Amino acid sequence: GESVGLHLPTLSVQEGDNSIINCAYSNSASDYFIWYKQESGKGPQFIIDIRSNMDKRQGQRVTVLLNKTVKHLSLQIAATQPGDSAVYFCAKGRRSGGYNKLIFGAGTRLAVHP
Amino acid sequence: EAGVAQSPRYKIIEKRQSVAFWCNPISGHATLYWYQQILGQGPKLLIQFQNNGVVDDSQLPKDRFSAERLKGVDSTLKIQPAKLEDSAVYLCASSHFKGQGTGANVLTFGAGSRLTVL
Repeated sequence: GESVGLHLPTLSVQEGDNSIINCAYSNSASDYFIWYKQESGKGPQFIIDIRSNMDKRQGQRVTVLLNKTVKHLSLQIAATQPGDSAVYFCAKGRRSGGYNKLIFGAGTRLAVHP
Repeated sequence: EAGVAQSPRYKIIEKRQSVAFWCNPISGHATLYWYQQILGQGPKLLIQFQNNGVVDDSQLPKDRFSAERLKGVDSTLKIQPAKLEDSAVYLCASSHFKGQGTGANVLTFGAGSRLTVL
């Protein structure tokens, strides 16, 4: 079946360093991938997405890389700040029957230390 | 624009009791989702509506869970009777299907309703 998994449950970084959060997926039948950030007590918040026909996409301080050969997705956060501390989820999306279906991974907790 | 509204934020019930959660999506968003998020896990889709029709409820435990979206706007999710394993955060999300372009499939989530079943 379909699944989306993450390599590490927790990632600790120093403030100002770059963070890399990894994600693996098991089924290639996907049209896009999305990274979400979830702070304590809040719902997931959209960070960035990438279509499956792309390899890289950049946003503000974030870059998503997609390697379809090894079914691997990563989120890079530049100059990590305390406000980046949260749980990060990768999700894969697929279009079917005219609507979109999104499957989430388990999440990686990012802890930023001063 | 206003976000996705959910209520109640917190609910504590005993097993075998019933509970209902309410969601008001972003105005104009045709698609509405209910996700279940158990502590330490990613959100799991329970049911997805396109306007007022169900397009995916394959993971909804239909013997105890029900959901409706009357008039294609607000939605309610009901659990009856509740079990201990239903303790989770119930997230509502909505999206505006814009087509094929990047960003077309973004879901906007509400803050969630945390259910504790004792």
